[in-house]
Amino acid sequence: KQEVTQIPAALSVPEGENLVLNCSFTDSAIYNLQWFRQDPGKGLTSLLLIQSSQREQTSGRLNASLDKSSGRSTLYIAASQPGDSATYLCAVTLSGNTPLVFGKGTRLSVIA
Amino acid sequence: DADVTQTPRNRITKTGKRIMLECSQTKGHDRMYWYRQDPGLGLQLIYYSFDVKDINKGEISDGYSVSRQAQAKFSLSLESAIPNQTALYFCATSDSVVNTGELFFGEGSRLTVL
Repeated sequence: KQEVTQIPAALSVPEGENLVLNCSFTDSAIYNLQWFRQDPGKGLTSLLLIQSSQREQTSGRLNASLDKSSGRSTLYIAASQPGDSATYLCAVTLSGNTPLVFGKGTRLSVIA
Repeated sequence: DADVTQTPRNRITKTGKRIMLECSQTKGHDRMYWYRQDPGLGLQLIYYSFDVKDINKGEISDGYSVSRQAQAKFSLSLESAIPNQTALYFCATSDSVVNTGELFFGEGSRLTVL
């Protein structure tokens, strides 16, 4: 059974810092990996999707990397801002016909 | 208007009542999902449907049922609600034609069972 772990569970950083969020998964034969953002009481917004053949994806100040062999992904946020404060969730799927399995998320606070 | 719409957004009910949460989407996606989120537990899959005639159980389907009335509509029912079903419920969609597996979520339905 695929399990997804996100460390740390919570993180507080001062504004302007670069930071890394970690995601690990137990079955390396994934189809893709997605990073989501969730604001309190709100739905999830897809940030980045990395297909199994890709090593990284970038969107603005966000960069997600994927190392399938080690079962790890990282989400790098450059020059953090208070508006980046949210919970970030990682999810993986083993095939195009298998639902995503989610980690429990990392709650990020960026302090002005 | 949101691409994935959930109704109601908030609901308070009593133990033993029947509750239906509805989801509709305008994205034209064929695949739809219901997830439950509890504080500190992440998202857990309840049911999913890959087309109108397809219904599949997720990891926590006990106590729930679903109906896929049309490609755009997917409803979640609690036949007899109990307090530990108090949670935030999310509907999501994906597109098998593109088949990237990318999920698109609704805003959520917060259910409180007293």
